[in-house]
Amino acid sequence: GQQVMQIPQYQHVQEGEDFTTYCNSSTTLSNIQWYKQRPGGHPVFLIQLVKSGEVKKQKRLTFQFGEAKKNSSLHITATQTTDVGTYFCGQRGGGGSNYKLTFGKGTLLTVNP
Amino acid sequence: DTAVSQTPKYLVTQMGNDKSIKCEQNLGHDTMYWYKQDSKKFLKIMFSYNNKELIINETVPNRFSPKSPDKAHLNLHINSLELGDSAVYFCASSRSDEQFFGPGTRLTVL
Repeated sequence: GQQVMQIPQYQHVQEGEDFTTYCNSSTTLSNIQWYKQRPGGHPVFLIQLVKSGEVKKQKRLTFQFGEAKKNSSLHITATQTTDVGTYFCGQRGGGGSNYKLTFGKGTLLTVNP
Repeated sequence: DTAVSQTPKYLVTQMGNDKSIKCEQNLGHDTMYWYKQDSKKFLKIMFSYNNKELIINETVPNRFSPKSPDKAHLNLHINSLELGDSAVYFCASSRSDEQFFGPGTRLTVL
């Protein structure tokens, strides 16, 4: 099935620094979803992008979908300790099923207060 | 009110045992899922049901058997548990794009 590669695997920042995680695919993605999982918690949906070049913002979070729809990024401005967690990207659909969500391996963000 | 609930939250058992995990959603969604998250946090889909019909069945050992008695419930039964089955199992549901995850069941096989 189609795989999405996510980098970096880990990122440690000082509170107030910015953070970016990247999601890449060798083939065109029909959409990209982002989820956040707090330590000990469950994945929570953040956003879905479907259009080429799309940019969406949620407060300090900025999500981008590449022009070729082969990559996406999540950027957090001025991180806070509440941003700690693992951020997953994933594509919904593929493998013959519109319901299947294939996740990247995630980026674990830790924030030093 | 919990949208997607799972029981039990923790499950510790011996190798070779059979166990079940239950999931219920009160969101009125048609589609439900089971995911496995291993120790490296990799989240992988196992099964999906839509209106009680199996629509996704990934490469999962046949010791794992999902059952959906109705649209609001999706249970997971595991036979002859093995050490490698230790993981966190998440149930999820969706109507369209967004998936809502349950709190997870941490299964430890000794």
